[in-house]
Amino acid sequence: AQSVAQPEDQVNVAEGNPLTVKCTYSVSGNPYLFWYVQYPNRGLQFLLKYITGDNLVKGSYGFEAEFNKSQTSFHLKKPSALVSDSALYFCAVRGPGNDYKLSFGAGTTVTVRA
Amino acid sequence: DGGITQSPKYLFRKEGQNVTLSCEQNLNHDAMYWYRQDPGQGLRLIYYSQIVNDFQKGDIAEGYSVSREKKESFPLTVTSAQKNPTAFYLCASSSGPTFGNTIYFGEGSWLTVV
Repeated sequence: AQSVAQPEDQVNVAEGNPLTVKCTYSVSGNPYLFWYVQYPNRGLQFLLKYITGDNLVKGSYGFEAEFNKSQTSFHLKKPSALVSDSALYFCAVRGPGNDYKLSFGAGTTVTVRA
Repeated sequence: DGGITQSPKYLFRKEGQNVTLSCEQNLNHDAMYWYRQDPGQGLRLIYYSQIVNDFQKGDIAEGYSVSREKKESFPLTVTSAQKNPTAFYLCASSSGPTFGNTIYFGEGSWLTVV
């Protein structure tokens, strides 16, 4: 079975400060990890993914994520947060096997104050 | 415009009624998915299809049905057997059975029981 945990329901930061959204995963074998963002009443938008290779992955809108195999983590980061980054963020994992389902965490609400 | 189109955006269902949510994609993707989103619970997979005329149950398939007669279309029917159907429904697609493929989402449909 595969699963994702996002330990923080909410993250609050001031504009211009670094933003980190935490994610840990559990999967048999090598993980395929994804981050998505959702704005109110909208679908999910893909931010970035880790498949293999460099542990630091760069994505859309200045976001990046670091894969840490020993800690089974894939934390999302942005060096300088914007008010427009306020949204719901989802981490997701897919593991090797015979199906291609993506398992999502419960989501973290990010609020960036001006 | 390429993408995934869900309709309607808002739908109201009376007790005992079946309703169908439409999902069309013009991305030439082989795989399509339906997810349900409830507040604080992340996304849960209802059904997925990796190829035309084939589909598999996800984690919460009871009370739902799907068909995949065309590559670009994957409608979801919420039957009267689904006792708590009020939720946000998300359709998604990806370019096929490779684990690293990104899943892309539509804008979602709200279903409310009245």
